[in-house]
Amino acid sequence: KQEVTQIPAALSVPEGENLVLNCSFTDSAIYNLQWFRQDPGKGLTSLLLIQSSQREQTSGRLNASLDKSSGRSTLYIAASQPGDSATYLCAAMDSNYQLIWGAGTKLIIKP
Amino acid sequence: GAGVSQSPSNKVTEKGKDVELRCDPISGHTALYWYRQSLGQGLEFLIYFQGNSAPDKSGLPSDRFSAERTGGSVSTLTIQRTQQEDSAVYLCASSLQVNQPQHFGDGTRLSIL
Repeated sequence: KQEVTQIPAALSVPEGENLVLNCSFTDSAIYNLQWFRQDPGKGLTSLLLIQSSQREQTSGRLNASLDKSSGRSTLYIAASQPGDSATYLCAAMDSNYQLIWGAGTKLIIKP
Repeated sequence: GAGVSQSPSNKVTEKGKDVELRCDPISGHTALYWYRQSLGQGLEFLIYFQGNSAPDKSGLPSDRFSAERTGGSVSTLTIQRTQQEDSAVYLCASSLQVNQPQHFGDGTRLSIL
């Protein structure tokens, strides 16, 4: 059974710093790995999707990597801004097309 | 509309009543998903549709839960004889195809008294 873990559970950094959020999964048989952000009281916003055949994806200041052999993905945020404050969730799509979710990392960027 | 639309945004009902939640996906999206997010817990997959078919219903928590999708568009999630543990935010998402980025609605916050 696929399990997805995110570390750390919470992170607080000063504005302008680069940071890395970690996601690990137990079963490498995935279709893709997705990163989302969730703002309080809101739905989820898709940030990046990495197909199983890919190693990384980039969008603006965000870069996500995928290493299936080690069961890890990282989300790199460059030059963090207060507007980046949110909960970041990773999810692995398993062989049944189900997204298995991590518990999230709550990120606070201090002005 | 431009995004995934869910209704109602909030629903408060008494234990034992039936509730119906609606999801209107992005036009042209063939895949539609339902998730549940309980207070203090992570997201839980419930069911997904490819067109009007739901290949795997094993994520539904009990036989009180059912879902359907008609015309490859709108989907409804029905909970019969609601229990307090059904209280959660129910999120719907759609994607062009199953292996593509999912776009989420704002959810329905369900409270069972």
